[in-house]
Amino acid sequence: DTGVSQNPRHKITKRGQNVTFRCDPISEHNRLYWYRQTLGQGPEFLTYFQNEAQLEKSRLLSDRFSAERPKGSFSTLEIQRTEQGDSAMYLCASRPQGMNTEAFFGQGTRLTVV
Amino acid sequence: KQEVTQIPAALSVPEGENLVLNCSFTDSAIYNLQWFRQDPGKGLTSLLLIQSSQREQTSGRLNASLDKSSGRSTLYIAASQPGDSATYLCAVRGNNYGQNFVFGPGTRLSVLP
Repeated sequence: DTGVSQNPRHKITKRGQNVTFRCDPISEHNRLYWYRQTLGQGPEFLTYFQNEAQLEKSRLLSDRFSAERPKGSFSTLEIQRTEQGDSAMYLCASRPQGMNTEAFFGQGTRLTVV
Repeated sequence: KQEVTQIPAALSVPEGENLVLNCSFTDSAIYNLQWFRQDPGKGLTSLLLIQSSQREQTSGRLNASLDKSSGRSTLYIAASQPGDSATYLCAVRGNNYGQNFVFGPGTRLSVLP
């Protein structure tokens, strides 16, 4: 068990560029979450996958954001036409099947839009 | 809408003290509550998961309690150490807002040597 892995750990991009982040969940965890966290705040929910199906999306997830989880394994989060307000830590979490299973988070991807 | 608050926002204590962190939530229809630790610039580390049917969970020097009916949880840290310095976050997951976790803003703990 290598834990939840996120890449890259840090990303600096110019405003207007597209960025993509990757999350590799713990193997056999079929539930996967993306969260966004700004400085001094708790994480805010973005989207949730059960296997390959994207079942929930927050209103925070504007049309510039898209997430995928092909084949129900790793997931990607893409932000198009980045804005300075997108600067944040993007966190991925996974948990196994079951109503009351424990969630495990990755180390996050720190995005800075300049 | 579920709202989670944590008090205090920040806490500074000398090494060796026992301390209590508080978490409150507005919707008591939860599946579970999970406590996390976050070091600066890092991801979240799971500390304890309490099911809605449980009253408390213990792991080493940590003890978390849950009073679902009053919408409260506490995290008790015994014999604090400088290595406990971090932000502590609580999160609830319930049946009225999908499968996602709702987080509090966290308590920033500093344990002074």
